[in-house]
Amino acid sequence: EVVLTQSPGTQSLSPGGRATLSCRAGQNIGRNSVAWYQQKPGQAPRLLVYGASSRATGIPDRFSGSGSGTDFTLTINRLEPEDSAVYYCQHYGAFGGGTKVEIK
Amino acid sequence: QVQLQESGPGLVKPSETLSLTCTVSGDSIRSNNYYWVWVRQPPGKGLEWIGSINYSGKTFYNSPLKSRATVSVDTSKNQFSLKLNSVTAADTAVFYCARLDIRMPETTLFDFWGQGTLVTVSA
Repeated sequence: EVVLTQSPGTQSLSPGGRATLSCRAGQNIGRNSVAWYQQKPGQAPRLLVYGASSRATGIPDRFSGSGSGTDFTLTINRLEPEDSAVYYCQHYGAFGGGTKVEIK
Repeated sequence: QVQLQESGPGLVKPSETLSLTCTVSGDSIRSNNYYWVWVRQPPGKGLEWIGSINYSGKTFYNSPLKSRATVSVDTSKNQFSLKLNSVTAADTAVFYCARLDIRMPETTLFDFWGQGTLVTVSA
């Protein structure tokens, strides 16, 4: 069973800046095998990126995913206050522990 | 637009069985392209996949919960359900139902989610 480890646990950033979120798999999981989700308080998760780098419908191009093998990254450019949320990576039935992004 | 809605009791006593139903609208549950899944999230914690089912009843479960969880499907009502037996306070969580897209090689994705329902286990 694959274990996904996300880092950092929390990122505090300023509007207009860039967030770089890491998701590391405990074993090689291929090239197109990670999805990313955004979850705001009191809401269900929302799909952002699938297949490691494909944006879901309606997701702005400020969000981009990359990576392969064991290391995957979600990058959020031109941060906006509404990007404050917890972000999760996922591979089949495994979720990472999440990274909280705070925009102040 | 696909919509999923969880329903069921918000309070369950310890040692009893938690039962939830997810009603799907905007899509037929009879599709080879998707599985239908349950995910839970304890208060203040991360997401945990519980189990998945397809229209024909084929199921997969997360190993730690396999002995206590049962997911079933009712295609005539476009619904699927979760039963989790012998619950304890540790099972208190928001339970989400979701659609799992399995069409792409090497990957799956949860593309539509219900709003979630909080189930508290307490006497």
